[in-house]
Amino acid sequence: DTGVSQNPRHKITKRGQNVTFRCDPISEHNRLYWYRQTLGQGPEFLTYFQNEAQLEKSRLLSDRFSAERPKGSFSTLEIQRTEQGDSAMYLCASSFREGWTEAFFGQGTRLTVV
Amino acid sequence: EDQVTQSPEALRLQEGESSSLNCSYTVSGLRGLFWYRQDPGKGPEFLFTLYSAGEEKEKERLKATLTKKESFLHITAPKPEDSATYLCAVQTQRTGANSKLTFGKGITLSVRP
Repeated sequence: DTGVSQNPRHKITKRGQNVTFRCDPISEHNRLYWYRQTLGQGPEFLTYFQNEAQLEKSRLLSDRFSAERPKGSFSTLEIQRTEQGDSAMYLCASSFREGWTEAFFGQGTRLTVV
Repeated sequence: EDQVTQSPEALRLQEGESSSLNCSYTVSGLRGLFWYRQDPGKGPEFLFTLYSAGEEKEKERLKATLTKKESFLHITAPKPEDSATYLCAVQTQRTGANSKLTFGKGITLSVRP
């Protein structure tokens, strides 16, 4: 297990289409975070899971966004009816212990909406 | 609302030319301040966590310091491989150890050989 895995790495979609991204955390990491990063900006928090429970959601996460983590393992982030403003890098991070010191980020999924 | 401001936005250094990156923060109760390195097209890589004013941490050519209002990332005798975007993030006391990090926009460092 070499780290947090995100798929796909790149996704180009037409405006109005639905897209789904997957994050596989490091084995036994029970905490999982989704962030979004646009060009020239720092990552912005979207949502957080502890095991299968979604414990916190940002107001940035509109009704078109939904995230799941069935069985507390991998997680998916779905965006419905994509808009050009959704174009960004979507980052996933996972951790086992409390706090961020032992959290690791994945390589991200870059979404381009045309 | 928690705020993190990083300056300058971009920094170009000659190899061996030491400098500092600044991170100013406004939070209601700091739990921790984090520094990350991010290479183009990759996720952030953890560098340091600082918890209280006066704390310092070092790793190779990097040294992070913390005051009550800001943090500095000092780079001593940088090399071209230090070129990256350096992100600062804060975590507040409000929601505990697993709460979100609030990031600054980052500082893009370029080190010329």
